[in-house]
Amino acid sequence: EVQLVESGGGLVQPGRSLKLSCAASGFTFSNYYMAWVRQAPTKGLEWVASITNSGGSTYYRDSVKGRFTISRDNAKSTLYLQMDSLRSEDTATYYCTRVTDYWGQGVMVTVSS
Amino acid sequence: DIQMTQSPSSLPASLGDRVTITCRASQDIGNYLRWFQQKPGKSPRLMIYGATNLAAGVPSRFSGSRSGSDYSLTINSLESEDMAIYYCLQHNEYPLTFGSGTKLEIK
Repeated sequence: EVQLVESGGGLVQPGRSLKLSCAASGFTFSNYYMAWVRQAPTKGLEWVASITNSGGSTYYRDSVKGRFTISRDNAKSTLYLQMDSLRSEDTATYYCTRVTDYWGQGVMVTVSS
Repeated sequence: DIQMTQSPSSLPASLGDRVTITCRASQDIGNYLRWFQQKPGKSPRLMIYGATNLAAGVPSRFSGSRSGSDYSLTINSLESEDMAIYYCLQHNEYPLTFGSGTKLEIK
């Protein structure tokens, strides 16, 4: 059974950093692209970043370029999202997804002073 | 960026109805179109991939179609468990873009 379990969310002040993790199981992690998708409270879904199966290429939405870094450790079957210089508009539930066919339960990130 | 214009934003319907939700792509996306269902407090669930293919475990009353740059999700014989928000997603090119969502609710 495919499982994606996010962790690392919480309340953080504007300008600070946070690192999300997503532990994957039930499939060969190194064979799949992975992505982060977020959803602000009461809003729609918004793609954040993607990474190829090897980790050799990464893609970001413009609003997070230069602030967020997606990475993976295939030996640990874990996906990461390093979020720096956080802004109030980054407040959202962040979902880890395996090319959007499987999704984690989501982790809440609140950016507020 | 590719814009996905989704309509309607809200869709009141009765149990047993046939309903259709549409997304229009601002550029060619081929069949790189997916549909998701999201219930309150839950993660999105993949319903349709490749514009017309039913994802595993999805009831056969759901179907996807394409006409040019218009992509549609149709639900035949609506059931209470289908009440949710539905989103389309284009994954033809980065940035990936979602439609704004359609809230399907009981009339």
